[in-house]
Amino acid sequence: KNQVEQSPQSLIILEGKNCTLQCNYTVSPFSNLRWYKQDTGRGPVSLTIMTFSENTKSNGRYTATLDADTKQSSLHITASQLSDSASYICVVSRNAGKSTFGDGTTLTVKP
Amino acid sequence: KAGVTQTPRYLIKTRGQQVTLSCSPISGHRSVSWYQQTPGQGLQFLFEYFSETQRNKGNFPGRFSGRQFSNSRSEMNVSTLELGDSALYLCASSLGGELAEYFGPGTRLLVL
Repeated sequence: KNQVEQSPQSLIILEGKNCTLQCNYTVSPFSNLRWYKQDTGRGPVSLTIMTFSENTKSNGRYTATLDADTKQSSLHITASQLSDSASYICVVSRNAGKSTFGDGTTLTVKP
Repeated sequence: KAGVTQTPRYLIKTRGQQVTLSCSPISGHRSVSWYQQTPGQGLQFLFEYFSETQRNKGNFPGRFSGRQFSNSRSEMNVSTLELGDSALYLCASSLGGELAEYFGPGTRLLVL
């Protein structure tokens, strides 16, 4: 069964601290893995997209890693800001555009 | 380049009514996907259209239907609304369905 599991379910950190979100998947065959940030009540916004051959991809303070052998990905947020408070969703796609969504990690950054 | 637009942004309906939501994809994108998002269920895939044809379909009842026009704009229809249909409905577009999807702001539907 194609599944995407994210951990932790929620996370609270202080402004300025770093954090890492995890995504484990069993989706096969693998096409790509995407991380999205979704602010409350708004549509998700793409942060990174990685294919099988990519191990790391950065987007400003966001760095995503992918280990296709262990089927794990992480999203590292550096020097967190209050605006980073959001839900972070991991999406893994198979060939032919079939995507499986994780339930997301809710991040709260406190001053 | 204009992003994905969805109309209306907010909608209030009563049980038993039907509703039509609209989505205009990014120019040049031929794939449009629809998702339902609720606090308890997260993002749930409804269906995907590519070049006016439904290419993928999620596990939703037949009350949920959609279509895509020749200009790639898409509509989603929900008939005989139920209270549980209250959700944020998101539309996403992409070039061909396998690449990054770009989401619209969503339509928040409240069924009373």
